[in-house]
Amino acid sequence: QVQVVQSGAEVKKPGASVKVSCKASGYTFTKYGISWVRQAPGQGLEWMGWVSAYSGHAEFAQKFQDRVTMTTDTSTDTAYMELRTLRSDDTAVYYCAGTGIIAAATLDYWGQGTPVTVST
Amino acid sequence: EIVLTQSPGTLSLSPGERATLSCRASQSISSSYLTWYQQKPGRAPRLLIYAASSRATGIPDRFSGSGSGTDFTLTISRLAPEDFAVYFCQYYGSSLGTFGQGTKVEIK
Repeated sequence: QVQVVQSGAEVKKPGASVKVSCKASGYTFTKYGISWVRQAPGQGLEWMGWVSAYSGHAEFAQKFQDRVTMTTDTSTDTAYMELRTLRSDDTAVYYCAGTGIIAAATLDYWGQGTPVTVST
Repeated sequence: EIVLTQSPGTLSLSPGERATLSCRASQSISSSYLTWYQQKPGRAPRLLIYAASSRATGIPDRFSGSGSGTDFTLTISRLAPEDFAVYFCQYYGSSLGTFGQGTKVEIK
């Protein structure tokens, strides 16, 4: 069965970087993409971007263009999202999701979420 | 940039009642890329409906999606206790994804 497992909670200071991992199993990783979505406390879902595990091509929401990197490691079926220059309003749960497996652009299989706290 | 507006913000209903959730796009969009998700407290979202009207695997047939152009609807024909949750619509197009702000379905 498909599983998507993310790395554990992080606490960072403002200005630091965070790198979240997302390991997929149960499907052919390189045929699809991985999307990243975040959710601030008590708020809705915010699409950050996605990366093709096949080509490495990534697309980002404009607000993250200058601060985010999304990569994949096909040797371990793992995706990574690095967010730099963290601010307090980056405090959120960060989700990854296997994308495009069931249908085009659908976020099909979600990880459990990685809480990231940005605080002095 | 496409903006998705969901209404109502909160829907207060009793088990067994019908729920009708709306998702309106700021301009006409392809229904092929309109998706609905369910999220329960403390949990990751779950795929419900894709391509506006196709149920994902394992989703009960009391859930249905419809719509085209700018207006899309998620209907839950008879609310079961486990259906009380937050529902988000989402669109992917022109290399960008966007979510609606969500509709909370709560027990009346």
